[in-house]
Amino acid sequence: DAGVIQSPRHEVTEMGQEVTLRCKLISGHNSLFWYRQTMMRGLELLIYFNNNVPIDDSGMPEDRFSAKMPNASFSTLKIQPSEPRDSAVYFCASSFTGTGEKLFFGSGTQLSVL
Amino acid sequence: GNSVTQMEGPVTLSEEAFLTINCTYTATGYPSLFWYVQYPGEGLQLLLKATKADDKGSNKGFEATYRKETTSFHLEKGSVQVSDSAVYFCALMSPNAGNMLTFGGGTRLMVKP
Repeated sequence: DAGVIQSPRHEVTEMGQEVTLRCKLISGHNSLFWYRQTMMRGLELLIYFNNNVPIDDSGMPEDRFSAKMPNASFSTLKIQPSEPRDSAVYFCASSFTGTGEKLFFGSGTQLSVL
Repeated sequence: GNSVTQMEGPVTLSEEAFLTINCTYTATGYPSLFWYVQYPGEGLQLLLKATKADDKGSNKGFEATYRKETTSFHLEKGSVQVSDSAVYFCALMSPNAGNMLTFGGGTRLMVKP
């Protein structure tokens, strides 16, 4: 299995533009987590899904952020409009236990909003 | 609420030195404890875990013992290598928090030849 696949690896955009980050889960996994990593705040859980259903989105910073799972193997995280303070590395991770145990992380998307 | 506190980095060591990265936690109930490692340019990977008091997790020469009396889960390795240079994250998972992981802030380890 190729593991959790994220795209793009790097995204540079201008303030106000829409940004879409993509994530493909490992086949057979049923839970999906989106994290944001910054120097100031470390690793923050934004949202997680179980069996395609959003379970907890309390970590989503603002209404500008939205996440979807259109099917069992794919997820998107959208920021609209983007702001410079959104600059961070965004990771998605999947698991097959339905919990946070044994997460498999993607390589992340480095987002820079100018 | 649950929280994890790690020693601040960076930790800089010479090859073959002994490593300790301190981790303490606050949690209700009986959490499981984890160490994840993040190599440059990659996502986090599970390094080891322990699910109950006095359990010792081990992998790739790294060890950590679940100490309930001191609420600690310190990471140790007897002889580090340059390839161990990475960021190490301590984490806990508690049934009282929906079985989600709570991560510490991470500790960067730099090993010099």
